[in-house]
Amino acid sequence: AQSVTQPDIHITVSEGASLELRCNYSYGATPYLFWYVQSPGQGLQLLLKYFSGDTLVQGIKGFEAEFKRSQSSFNLRKPSVHWSDAAEYFCAPSGTYKYIFGTGTRLKVLA
Amino acid sequence: NAGVTQTPKFQVLKTGQSMTLQCAQDMNHNSMYWYRQDPGMGLRLIYYSASEGTTDKGEVPNGYNVSRLNKREFSLRLESAAPSQTSVYFCASSELAAPGTGELFFGEGSRLTVL
Repeated sequence: AQSVTQPDIHITVSEGASLELRCNYSYGATPYLFWYVQSPGQGLQLLLKYFSGDTLVQGIKGFEAEFKRSQSSFNLRKPSVHWSDAAEYFCAPSGTYKYIFGTGTRLKVLA
Repeated sequence: NAGVTQTPKFQVLKTGQSMTLQCAQDMNHNSMYWYRQDPGMGLRLIYYSASEGTTDKGEVPNGYNVSRLNKREFSLRLESAAPSQTSVYFCASSELAAPGTGELFFGEGSRLTVL
């Protein structure tokens, strides 16, 4: 069965520190891969996506993600976190059928 | 730039009542989706519509019906609301006709409470 795992429910980092959010998926073939961000009370917004090609993709707000086929992972990173990055982050692989969303990682940023 | 508009934003129902959540997009997108979001469970797909005139079940369709009224509008109906349907509902749309192959654009959500 297709599935996605975000093992960290909550992460707390200090402003200016680096960040890595983990995402592992299980699919029959390499899916399209997305990361979305949700600010409180808002809908989801696309951060970045991977379809093919370069395995390191850049997104908005200084985020990047690396696709590792051998590990079935698509981890999200940011070198220096800003207080405005506090939000919930969702990994969403998709195949030719539909999106499957992870359970999300809630990021808290300490001043 | 309205994007995806959902109404109502908040609704309280009693068990057994019915209601319809409305969704409209102004981006000329082909596919539209309804998700529900519950704490600790991420987003789960209820129904989707790959194109005008077609609808398909998602992961959690029981207790819901949908109508793709035209290319712009995709409504979600609860015929007999149950407390288990208390949730935040999101409508989304995507340009590409094949579900899962394009960016999703989300509405701001509709918070439904069933007493």
